Amino acid sequence: DVKVTQSSRYLVKRTGEKVFLECVQDMDHENMFWYRQDPGLGLRLIYFSYDVKMKEKGDIPEGYSVSREKKERFSLILESASTNQTSMYLCASSLEGLLATDTQYFGPGTRLTVL
Amino acid sequence: KNQVEQSPQSLIILEGKNCTLQCNYTVSPFSNLRWYKQDTGRGPVSLTIMTFSENTKSNGRYTATLDADTKQSSLHITASQLSDSASYICVVSEASGGGADGLTFGKGTHLIIQP
Repeated sequence: DVKVTQSSRYLVKRTGEKVFLECVQDMDHENMFWYRQDPGLGLRLIYFSYDVKMKEKGDIPEGYSVSREKKERFSLILESASTNQTSMYLCASSLEGLLATDTQYFGPGTRLTVL
Repeated sequence: KNQVEQSPQSLIILEGKNCTLQCNYTVSPFSNLRWYKQDTGRGPVSLTIMTFSENTKSNGRYTATLDADTKQSSLHITASQLSDSASYICVVSEASGGGADGLTFGKGTHLIIQP
C-alpha cells in the first residue's frame, strides 16, 4: 500500500514564525502536491512538484514556498505565518502525472493553527 | 473556468438506507472523474476513477455513474453504514492538463449516517 506521511497531525504556531510542514511518500512517486482545505472552499492547490528540485505554483502559492531535495520528500514552508494560514494542509503523491488511471494518494493532513 | 458542483452540500440519512450524491462539471476536455471519501480529520481516499468510456463502476456498496454527454456523475451508496459518515469529494481531470493544474475539485458532500 502507498503510504504518505506528514510530520505533524496538529501544529500551533505564532504569527511571524517560520513553519515547515514535511511530507514523505514511500512508493517512488514522481509527483507530489500540497493542498490546503478550508470549510466551504474545498481543496485548493498550493504547489506541486513533478520531479526532484522541480516545482510549480498552484492556485494559491502566495505566502508559501516548497522544497523537494529528494524524490520521497516534499516540504511546505510558511516563511512568516499569518492567521489566515490557519487551515488543514494535505500532502498527496501520484505516480506519473495525472493520467487516466493514475490517482492521488493523500496523507492524513496537518491541522495548523496560527495565533 | 472549469467548475465542479456537488449536491447536496450535506445529507443526513438513517443507517441502512440508500443515498445518491451528485456531481456536475464543466471541465473540458474531459479526461477522468474521481470520487474520494474523506473521514473527519483524515486525508481523502480514492473510491473510484471513471474514464470517458465508463458509465458505471462499483466498489463494494459504492456505485458511481458517469454521463459524459450531460457532464454529470453520481455516487450511490447502498445499505448505508455508520462508517459511511464522511465527506465525499468529486474531482474532475482535464485531458490537456498534464500536471496538477488539470484537476478541479468539488467542495464535497458531507454525509452523516444516523443509527
